[in-house]
Amino acid sequence: GENVEQHPSTLSVQEGDSAVIKCTYSDSASNYFPWYKQELGKGPQLIIDIRSNVGEKKDQRIAVTLNKTAKHFSLHITETQPEDSAVYFCAAKAGANNLFFGTGTRLTVIP
Amino acid sequence: EPEVTQTPSHQVTQMGQEVILRCVPISNHLYFYWYRQILGQKVEFLVSFYNNEISEKSEIFDDQFSVERPDGSNFTLKIRSTKLEDSAMYFCASAGGGRDEQYFGPGTRLTVT
Repeated sequence: GENVEQHPSTLSVQEGDSAVIKCTYSDSASNYFPWYKQELGKGPQLIIDIRSNVGEKKDQRIAVTLNKTAKHFSLHITETQPEDSAVYFCAAKAGANNLFFGTGTRLTVIP
Repeated sequence: EPEVTQTPSHQVTQMGQEVILRCVPISNHLYFYWYRQILGQKVEFLVSFYNNEISEKSEIFDDQFSVERPDGSNFTLKIRSTKLEDSAMYFCASAGGGRDEQYFGPGTRLTVT
């Protein structure tokens, strides 16, 4: 089955700096890669996703890149704000199958 | 904005008891999922449900677990005889016709004592 690895497990940045979280996946059949933000006591919130037919997608301050050959994808947050502090999960899915999640990254944005 | 809701937010039960966790998916969604997250660990898939039947399940989803869509709005997860290791956050998710984007509810924290 699919195995998703995520790094780093914790990340602290100064407000205004950029944050990058990286994930790798093992199943070459995976073609959908969402990112979720989980705030304390809440469920995962879908913040951006990318499909295997594109290499990059951007939505305001967040962007995701995908390298299919290397089987890795990354989340980039620019101009970080304190409200970006949360746990971020990457995930991968092949076709109609379920999501396989990474282990999460706790992002702390220091004001 | 439509959202997935779950009840209760926290359930405490004794080992061996049955629990039912309830979810109301987004109204026009067709695909329903249960995931769980043991404290500090990754979110793990349990089961997916489509067209009134299970479409996929993980090794975690053994005979003690069952799912049901008893009416047009609710989606439930039943654990027949809870074990200590069932303690976790349980998340319901739903997806529409495109079925890639899964939207998660706020979760039910299950504590088995």
